[in-house]
Amino acid sequence: AQRVTQPEKLLSVFKGAPVELKCNYSYSGSPELFWYVQYSRQRLQLLLRHISRESIKGFTADLNKGETSFHLKKPFAQEEDSAMYYCALSGRRRTSYDKVIFGPGTSLSVIP
Amino acid sequence: EPEVTQTPSHQVTQMGQEVILRCVPISNHLYFYWYRQILGQKVEFLVSFYNNEISEKSEIFDDQFSVERPDGSNFTLKIRSTKLEDSAMYFCASRPSHNTGELFFGEGSRLTVL
Repeated sequence: AQRVTQPEKLLSVFKGAPVELKCNYSYSGSPELFWYVQYSRQRLQLLLRHISRESIKGFTADLNKGETSFHLKKPFAQEEDSAMYYCALSGRRRTSYDKVIFGPGTSLSVIP
Repeated sequence: EPEVTQTPSHQVTQMGQEVILRCVPISNHLYFYWYRQILGQKVEFLVSFYNNEISEKSEIFDDQFSVERPDGSNFTLKIRSTKLEDSAMYFCASRPSHNTGELFFGEGSRLTVL
């Protein structure tokens, strides 16, 4: 069964501190993993995806297939990072993608 | 930059009434989705739509729900006879092609059933 878990519902860090939002998944095939972010009063938007292997707004995430994890990290948190973060998964087929399923979300609060 | 738009932003209805939520996906996108989020809970998949038909639906998407793309631009979600537990934020999303898993979301329609 496809499943995405995020163990922390709420995470508070001080500005300038490192932040790690945890995500684990279960999927029998070859998934693509994403992090979506929702800032206050804004729409859900893609933050990053594992296949692009890029850093967005200082955030990175590495897919660890052995531990089935896709944790989101940033070395120095900023106040503008305060938002709701959703880890998500889409099954990859040969020529297309399955629906995206979301984890329960982690609310990150960066304390000035 | 093109965006997915949804109307209404908030609808209040009485239990048993029909509700239609409207979405205008990004114009050259091919795949369309409805998700819902009950307050305090996760974003849940409802239905996906491709090539003018439902490609997948969840067990939440029972006979009370239907989707349509009546005119090539709008993508609607209809709930025939609303229940209290249908109160949620409903998100429309679209995807440009089969080459990407990225979804582009609307701002959501909040449905309150009294």
